Amino acid sequence: DGGITQSPKYLFRKEGQNVTLSCEQNLNHDAMYWYRQDPGQGLRLIYYSQIVNDFQKGDIAEGYSVSREKKESFPLTVTSAQKNPTAFYLCASKSGDGYTFGSGTRLTVV
Amino acid sequence: KQEVTQIPAALSVPEGENLVLNCSFTDSAIYNLQWFRQDPGKGLTSLLLIQSSQREQTSGRLNASLDKSSGRSTLYIAASQPGDSATYLCAVSDFGNEKLTFGTGTRLTIIP
Repeated sequence: DGGITQSPKYLFRKEGQNVTLSCEQNLNHDAMYWYRQDPGQGLRLIYYSQIVNDFQKGDIAEGYSVSREKKESFPLTVTSAQKNPTAFYLCASKSGDGYTFGSGTRLTVV
Repeated sequence: KQEVTQIPAALSVPEGENLVLNCSFTDSAIYNLQWFRQDPGKGLTSLLLIQSSQREQTSGRLNASLDKSSGRSTLYIAASQPGDSATYLCAVSDFGNEKLTFGTGTRLTIIP
């Protein structure tokens, strides 16, 4: 079945560490997105990519980095510069007007 | 900058009732508006998409309307069921259709 796979489902990070969240899709979608969700809040856009080897900052890109070397993959790195990284992270892809979301990664700083 | 607001933040209704969820947005220059459902700790599932030129869309017991000039959309759920309990998110796509701006959601609880 086609879809988006996010891994891991749960991730714990120590202060000062960089961590990378994986997002893989087999839908052949060109556009991919990373959103952050905090309790009681909507989704906020971190980064997005319309095509391979190109990506743009969203509304809250500081402290995050991405790459888009393959159409299927759009990993997100949460760097030590992100001061409050504890959140639920959602990856999505888009074809035309339709969005498909992954099941999310819950990141906790310990 | 586009801002999307959903009121109320939470809603509880008895099973079988009809209900309306509200969404408002500040910039009417949108490409489309979408309603999503999110179950606790899960990703989002698309429910309905309304193009900017449309007034409403229907899928089963769900009906979404769009009044672009006033910056408002409603999601009507008929004959509510306990399985409808979830958070409902409204999102608008910018005119270039490059990205979505989400509301904060309405957490719906259907009481059996």
